[in-house]
Amino acid sequence: AQRVTQPEKLLSVFKGAPVELKCNYSYSGSPELFWYVQYSRQRLQLLLRHISRESIKGFTADLNKGETSFHLKKPFAQEEDSAMYYCALSGKTGANNLFFGTGTRLTVIP
Amino acid sequence: DGGITQSPKYLFRKEGQNVTLSCEQNLNHDAMYWYRQDPGQGLRLIYYSQIVNDFQKGDIAEGYSVSREKKESFPLTVTSAQKNPTAFYLCASSGSGYTGELFFGEGSRLTVL
Repeated sequence: AQRVTQPEKLLSVFKGAPVELKCNYSYSGSPELFWYVQYSRQRLQLLLRHISRESIKGFTADLNKGETSFHLKKPFAQEEDSAMYYCALSGKTGANNLFFGTGTRLTVIP
Repeated sequence: DGGITQSPKYLFRKEGQNVTLSCEQNLNHDAMYWYRQDPGQGLRLIYYSQIVNDFQKGDIAEGYSVSREKKESFPLTVTSAQKNPTAFYLCASSGSGYTGELFFGEGSRLTVL
């Protein structure tokens, strides 16, 4: 069965400090991994996907199949990064139904 | 204004009543989804539909029903068989092809009294 684990419900960092939001997954096949973000009073939206190997708003995430992890990182946190972050997994190629983790609320302290 | 529109935003119902949540999209997306969000549990998939007149159960479909008669619309009915209906419900859609990108509505909060 597929599972996405985000061990931290809450994470606080100071502005300018590095931030890492952890995500571990369990899936028997080759998953696609994503990070979604929800800023205050905004809709949940895609932040980045592992297959694109992109950096969005300074965030990157590397899929580590050996450790079954997909941690989200940013070297210097900004106040506008404060939001709820969800890690998500898709196990079916061709289908966009995603399996989400429980989310981590990031607070960047000025 | 394009996107996903969910209504109502807040809904109160008495126990034992069925209730239907509306989800409309004008993005011309083929696929639509319903998720349930509970505190500490993230989002869980209820139903999804990849084309008109077709839909599949997600992880927690029991006590829910859907229809997909039009491409733009994917209403969710929370039936009296759903044991814990009080929750926040999110509708989403995605375009053709596999991208992993879902476009979400603002959500509907259902409270059963």
